[in-house]
Amino acid sequence: KQEVTQIPAALSVPEGENLVLNCSFTDSAIYNLQWFRQDPGKGLTSLLLIQSSQREQTSGRLNASLDKSSGRSTLYIAASQPGDSATYLCALQTGANNLFFGTGTRLTVIP
Amino acid sequence: NAGVTQTPKFQVLKTGQSMTLQCAQDMNHNSMYWYRQDPGMGLRLIYYSASEGTTDKGEVPNGYNVSRLNKREFSLRLESAAPSQTSVYFCASSLPTVLNEKLFFGSGTQLSVL
Repeated sequence: KQEVTQIPAALSVPEGENLVLNCSFTDSAIYNLQWFRQDPGKGLTSLLLIQSSQREQTSGRLNASLDKSSGRSTLYIAASQPGDSATYLCALQTGANNLFFGTGTRLTVIP
Repeated sequence: NAGVTQTPKFQVLKTGQSMTLQCAQDMNHNSMYWYRQDPGMGLRLIYYSASEGTTDKGEVPNGYNVSRLNKREFSLRLESAAPSQTSVYFCASSLPTVLNEKLFFGSGTQLSVL
C-alpha cells in the first residue's frame, strides 16, 4: 500500500518568505500527484496536479515538482502572504479511484 | 457556482442511531466519492461511484452504505452509528473516471457519535 508522508506537520514563517513543503511516498508507480489546500472547517481545494510524465507545474506563486525516482514532491510558495495560511495536503493517484492522501502540513504565515 | 454541496454541516448522534449524509454536485461529473478525515490520518475513501447506478467499496466501507440516487446525488448512510465513526466526512466529485482529473470537494460534515 502506498504510504504518503508530509513533514513537518506544522510550519510558521514571516510574511514575504519563500517556503517549501515536502511530500514523500513509497511507491513510484503513480499516475499523478495533486496538492490541495484546506482551510479550517472547509473542504479541500485542488491547487496543482502533476502527471506522472511531468516534472513540475506552476500556478501563480505556487510551483510543484515531482521526482518519482526519489519518491518526493515539493510545493514551493513564493513571497508568502497571511492569506496562504492553511493546511496543505498532497495526494497520489495510483488507479482510477485510488487516491492516497498525506496528513498535511499546517502553514501559518505571520504578518 | 455551488460545486459540491453537503448537508448537514454538523451532526451529533447517539450510539445506535442512524442518519444519512447528503451530497449533490452541479458540475455534471460522473464520479463521486465519500471520504472521512481523522486527526493524524490522511483522508480515507469510504465508497465511490464511477457512474450513475454503480457503487464500489473503498478503503474503509464497514458500517456504511451508499446510494447513487441520480447523476447529481450520492448519499452516505450510517445504519447504526458507533463512536468510531466520529469524523469529518467529505464528498467529492470528478469528471468521468479518467486519470489526471482534479477532485472537487464539498465543505464537509462534522459528525460526533456519543
